Amino acid sequence: DQQVKQNSPSLSVQEGRISILNCDYTNSMFDYFLWYKKYPAEGPTFLISISSIKDKNEDGRFTVFLNKSAKHLSLHIVPSQPGDSAVYFCAALNNAGGTSYGKLTFGQGTILTVHP
Amino acid sequence: EAGVAQSPRYKIIEKRQSVAFWCNPISGHATLYWYQQILGQGPKLLIQFQNNGVVDDSQLPKDRFSAERLKGVDSTLKIQPAKLEDSAVYLCASSLGPGTSGSLAGRTQYFGPGTRLLVL
Repeated sequence: DQQVKQNSPSLSVQEGRISILNCDYTNSMFDYFLWYKKYPAEGPTFLISISSIKDKNEDGRFTVFLNKSAKHLSLHIVPSQPGDSAVYFCAALNNAGGTSYGKLTFGQGTILTVHP
Repeated sequence: EAGVAQSPRYKIIEKRQSVAFWCNPISGHATLYWYQQILGQGPKLLIQFQNNGVVDDSQLPKDRFSAERLKGVDSTLKIQPAKLEDSAVYLCASSLGPGTSGSLAGRTQYFGPGTRLLVL
């Protein structure tokens, strides 16, 4: 049961353009969403997050949008740079306490390639 | 601030052998996680510690995997005996933990570089 899905395995964008990475989820108990970036041979690096009480969070070139009714979030990178080329993972946290607290559920990842 | 440290970075073993991974979380982080990431997939949680207690180990194959976090700081993850399907990257992550007044920032997890395991 894939509760967090990234349906695009890869995305190719020209430098300077916008990159849009999408993520869908099924569990309505998720209340906190995170994006991680991963370079080869490194661990995932935290990029940006959003709480379910918001619909947008911005940090420099990175903006995350959350549509709760559609159970969909997206990461916008503007302008895209060649150094942004990496695997991007969407992840979600459950609001329930106890054993579910802090348990991140990841999507499969999207490989972003930004061409100079 | 130092990040999450893991060692070794790479390990090659034969099936049925044993292997151990070490993790040192960010200083002050109460919660520590071990993930398994198979190629082409997102990380999957194996075990979660809150200080030195286990919070969630529901997806840990307990017949061959074990983990401990003595003194609530460093942690080790062991596989004994290893199988071919254990070939993966093993990631350690840490977070401040739920004690931070419910702050969402306290739930953000920071990852180490991982240990790449190849079982032949």
